[in-house]
Amino acid sequence: DTEVTQTPKHLVMGMTNKKSLKCEQHMGHRAMYWYKQKAKKPPELMFVYSYEKLSINESVPSRFSPECPNSSLLNLHLHALQPEDSALYLCASSQGGILGVRSPLHFGNGTRLTVT
Amino acid sequence: GIQVEQSPPDLILQEGANSTLRCNFSDSVNNLQWFHQNPWGQLINLFYIPSGTKQNGRLSATTVATERYSLLYISSSQTTDSGVYFCAVGGSSYKLIFGSGTRLLVRP
Repeated sequence: DTEVTQTPKHLVMGMTNKKSLKCEQHMGHRAMYWYKQKAKKPPELMFVYSYEKLSINESVPSRFSPECPNSSLLNLHLHALQPEDSALYLCASSQGGILGVRSPLHFGNGTRLTVT
Repeated sequence: GIQVEQSPPDLILQEGANSTLRCNFSDSVNNLQWFHQNPWGQLINLFYIPSGTKQNGRLSATTVATERYSLLYISSSQTTDSGVYFCAVGGSSYKLIFGSGTRLLVRP
């Protein structure tokens, strides 16, 4: 069982919809991440939160909007997505803030997103 | 940036066989992790191993940082070992760089 919980597991949305992906961890980790993974490719980093502050945005389009309400929760708000945004979205966490990337990265089970 | 190359890209094994997966990287690293992604997409951290050797059951890993490679050994493979194995490395940057993965199929 993963210690990083993501909801929903599957999401189908139209290009005009607004939806949110949610991620929760209770391991006391201070860095949380959003990754995007296309089929047969490795995960690609999107955002990093360190101590609840957005530290890294890997030039992600503004139709993806992250939010970290507290140290255990991470959201990804989606608006006006394109079909090419269909992918597996993975949340991850690690200890110790952004430098905690030098500790094991723990992934959630992901949300499989389809944009129609 | 750091380049990560994994080999082989694809591997088919009979259940019970042993295998070695390799990860080469182009620069010095202070972070190296191995992950297994099962056919349902779940990504599990197998080892955090910037140097040295670790073992966990039938899996073990060795990183020789001075020679810029890491090896993942799978012994007595089982069908549940099927999936994609990723190596990810980090150097002076915050960012983990993932290799393209080794796709493993273990046949019963």
